[in-house]
Amino acid sequence: KNEVEQSPQNLTAQEGEFITINCSYSVGISALHWLQQHPGGGIVSLFMLSSGKKKHGRLIATINIQEKHSSLHITASHPRDSAVYICAVRSGTGNQFYFGTGTSLTVIP
Amino acid sequence: DTGVSQDPRHKITKRGQNVTFRCDPISEHNRLYWYRQTLGQGPEFLTYFQNEAQLEKSRLLSDRFSAERPKGSFSTLEIQRTEQGDSAMYLCASSAARRQNEKLFFGSGTQLSVL
Repeated sequence: KNEVEQSPQNLTAQEGEFITINCSYSVGISALHWLQQHPGGGIVSLFMLSSGKKKHGRLIATINIQEKHSSLHITASHPRDSAVYICAVRSGTGNQFYFGTGTSLTVIP
Repeated sequence: DTGVSQDPRHKITKRGQNVTFRCDPISEHNRLYWYRQTLGQGPEFLTYFQNEAQLEKSRLLSDRFSAERPKGSFSTLEIQRTEQGDSAMYLCASSAARRQNEKLFFGSGTQLSVL
C-alpha cells in the first residue's frame, strides 16, 4: 500500500466547473505539498500545508491532520489548468518525501 | 533563471553504458533530492543530501547508482551498466533547511532512454 493515495486518478471537467482532488496519507508528516506537473515533466510547487487552509487565486488547498486527508480545489476551472496534480508529504523526520501517483486533469473548453 | 537546472534534458544510451546527470540547485538551498519518475507514477525517492553529506539513500537503489555533491552545491547522479529498466525521468529538487517546512523546487528533469 502506498503511503500517499490520491483520487481520482483521472478527471475530465468542462470549463468553469468546480474541481476537487483528494489525498490521503498513512505516515506521520511535517508538511503536505500539492504539486502541478505539465506535459514535458516540469513540476511546480503549488502549496505547502501543515494545517488549515491556503488559497492562491482559483486554487484552494485544505488539510485535516487528524483525518490524514487533504483536498485541492480549483474554482472556475480553465483548460490551462489541465495537468497532473501530485500530492506529496514530507515525513515527520523531514528527510523524505512520499508522493502520490497523481491525478490527471483535463479541462475541456 | 535562478531555478533548479538539470543537464542534459534528454539522454539516449545503449544498455551497459554508464551515464551521468547533473543538477544545479538554487544557490542558497542546502538540501538536494534526486527522484525517479516512470510514466503514470509519482516521483520515487532515490537519495537526499544536506550540504555535501548524503544522508539518505533509498533501499530500492541498486549499487549501480551513485550520487555525489562534492562541495555542497551541484550534484551528479551516475548510473553504471545501464539496464532498460532504468529508463525514466530523473528529477532533482532542492530546498532550504533553515525552516523545517520549506518548499521544494524541482528541475525540469533528465529523460533517460536505455535501448
